[in-house]
Amino acid sequence: GQQVMQIPQYQHVQEGEDFTTYCNSSTTLSNIQWYKQRPGGHPVFLIQLVKSGEVKKQKRLTFQFGEAKKNSSLHITATQTTDVGTYFCAGRDPKLTGANSKLTFGKGITLSVRP
Amino acid sequence: ETGVTQSPTHLIKTRGQQVTLRCSSQSGHNTVSWYQQALGQGPQFIFQYYREEENGRGNFPPRFSGLQFPNYSSELNVNALELDDSALYLCASSLQRSGGRHIQYFGAGTRLSVL
Repeated sequence: GQQVMQIPQYQHVQEGEDFTTYCNSSTTLSNIQWYKQRPGGHPVFLIQLVKSGEVKKQKRLTFQFGEAKKNSSLHITATQTTDVGTYFCAGRDPKLTGANSKLTFGKGITLSVRP
Repeated sequence: ETGVTQSPTHLIKTRGQQVTLRCSSQSGHNTVSWYQQALGQGPQFIFQYYREEENGRGNFPPRFSGLQFPNYSSELNVNALELDDSALYLCASSLQRSGGRHIQYFGAGTRLSVL
């Protein structure tokens, strides 16, 4: 079945440093979503990417969808302590459309930021 | 806030017991998906309900079952609880659109502990 991989699972950065993480799928995706989960919280939707090569920005966060629609990246510029949490990517199999489309989540990357 | 509410927030059960978890979806949403999130893992898809019918299922045994009601609220039932069922159970609601691009909004989850 479809697998979505995020490696490594943990990353520690100094406040102010940039941070980049990657998400790789074993198969082509119809779209990819990114979520953030704070400690003790639940996943909160950040962004959805649909088109090959698409780039979207949210303030200091930049999301990119690969040309082959099999990978994605999240880049945070000048990290802040508020960026702490676990970032998940989740992809959809293009062979499962409409009502049957399920999200496959990666294991996430937990970001800690040293003040 | 996503408008998705889950109850109860915490639950303690013993092995072999049965449990029912509840989810009220966001107003206007017609699809509910349930996920199991073990500690340190990404959410794992259990199943999805659309217009009161199950229309997608992950790799979970039949003792995991569910319902969706006419008002689109939903229940997750787990029979014969096992220790490994201890996890955060997340409900996500969405508005089904063509092409599988619907965005899922998560509730705060129910943390189940099986002793």
